[in-house]
Amino acid sequence: ETGVTQSPTHLIKTRGQQVTLRCSSQSGHNTVSWYQQALGQGPQFIFQYYREEENGRGNFPPRFSGLQFPNYSSELNVNALELDDSALYLCASSLRYLRETQYFGPGTRLLVL
Amino acid sequence: ELKVEQNPLFLSMQEGKNYTIYCNYSTTSDRLYWYRQDPGKSLESLFVLLSNGAVKQEGRLMASLDTKARLSTLHITAAVHDLSATYFCAVDDSGGGADGLTFGKGTHLIIQP
Repeated sequence: ETGVTQSPTHLIKTRGQQVTLRCSSQSGHNTVSWYQQALGQGPQFIFQYYREEENGRGNFPPRFSGLQFPNYSSELNVNALELDDSALYLCASSLRYLRETQYFGPGTRLLVL
Repeated sequence: ELKVEQNPLFLSMQEGKNYTIYCNYSTTSDRLYWYRQDPGKSLESLFVLLSNGAVKQEGRLMASLDTKARLSTLHITAAVHDLSATYFCAVDDSGGGADGLTFGKGTHLIIQP
């Protein structure tokens, strides 16, 4: 069984640029959620994808967008990067309608200069 | 808006001692999760609590859920250094439609020899 993987592990961008982060879900999982974790804080829910559609969204602006592919992998895109976007971005996979936990990937650490 | 509060936020304790971390939340959810995070790492699932009165134990850690009091506890018995980490509780408030987890700020636990 393959766990959740994310790429890249680290990324440095400048303000105004755009970034794409990638996530492969755990084998058999059909739902992917994305979270932003600022230093010293708990993760904050960005959005969730199920059946290639956005299923729910937290309090993040539209410049945060995503995709889910038929193989359940997912991308998080952030446009017009701001300094406050610097954080650890975590992807979590789960099996929808099954009352179990979400399994987190290792994360992508983004630094915006 | 769902709020999840943990206390204490910081805890330094000696090996061999017992202690409890508290997690209060503001909704009627019956899905609560505990995660562990080591510095610079992702989140590791510890417990899934899915009903009132649920109790789960793994090694020196025991978690419980009281949905009427909207309270979960994580009890540490005879702490050892390897348990030093940040512990997060998270609530699934699917009634809001987002299906994302709402995390507390985390409890940073240091266990000293």
